Amino acid sequence: SQQGEEDPQALSIQEGENATMNCSYKTSINNLQWYRQNSGRGLVHLILIRSNEREKHSGRLRVTLDTSKKSSSLLITASRAADTASYFCATGVTGGGNKLTFGTGTQLKVEL
Amino acid sequence: GAVVSQHPSWVICKSGTSVKIECRSLDFQATTMFWYRQFPKQSLMLMATSNEGSKATYEQGVEKDKFLINHASLTLSTLTVTSAHPEDSSFYICSARDPREAYTGELFFGEGSRLTVL
Repeated sequence: SQQGEEDPQALSIQEGENATMNCSYKTSINNLQWYRQNSGRGLVHLILIRSNEREKHSGRLRVTLDTSKKSSSLLITASRAADTASYFCATGVTGGGNKLTFGTGTQLKVEL
Repeated sequence: GAVVSQHPSWVICKSGTSVKIECRSLDFQATTMFWYRQFPKQSLMLMATSNEGSKATYEQGVEKDKFLINHASLTLSTLTVTSAHPEDSSFYICSARDPREAYTGELFFGEGSRLTVL
């Protein structure tokens, strides 16, 4: 079953602009991760934020987590055409072992 | 990071035949691997957790006789789609955790296998 709902489903921006994607989830989590998928390819891990963290940075990526609202956001600053991909949040659920449950994804298109 | 290799990357088969997809961890040993299925422009749905040396754990609604999983070694898990039908056409992706980086919680994914059943 889907744990995470992401919005928007699709996002189109110009190169240089910032892109923000949101993820909401339903149950208690240990951690929340963001992954990127280029069309027809496997997924690549971007960043992990633990349930006791509120914000994390990695390069041009900034992730926030609000456990009271059961939501997270991924911000990509100064976007590039190469950032065009689908982005998924994934949650490690409390008591769920090693399983990750993926959200519905946001398709980002960065135009020149 | 760790490398997971998946083969074949794409396969076309006739309805009624069986197809085997391999997932290998190339530079680490994986006691657990995960098999996901993805429909076009949709999310990944966990099908089963593959456990080395024991039976796979299937998610609710996934037919274990239809999707046979074998994890015979610490570096190889296979998914066999038996008696494939057109509705089995999908993108199948495997993943694993590198125990050397267990603290990160990161999953390493194969490149996926696109199955088309005619």
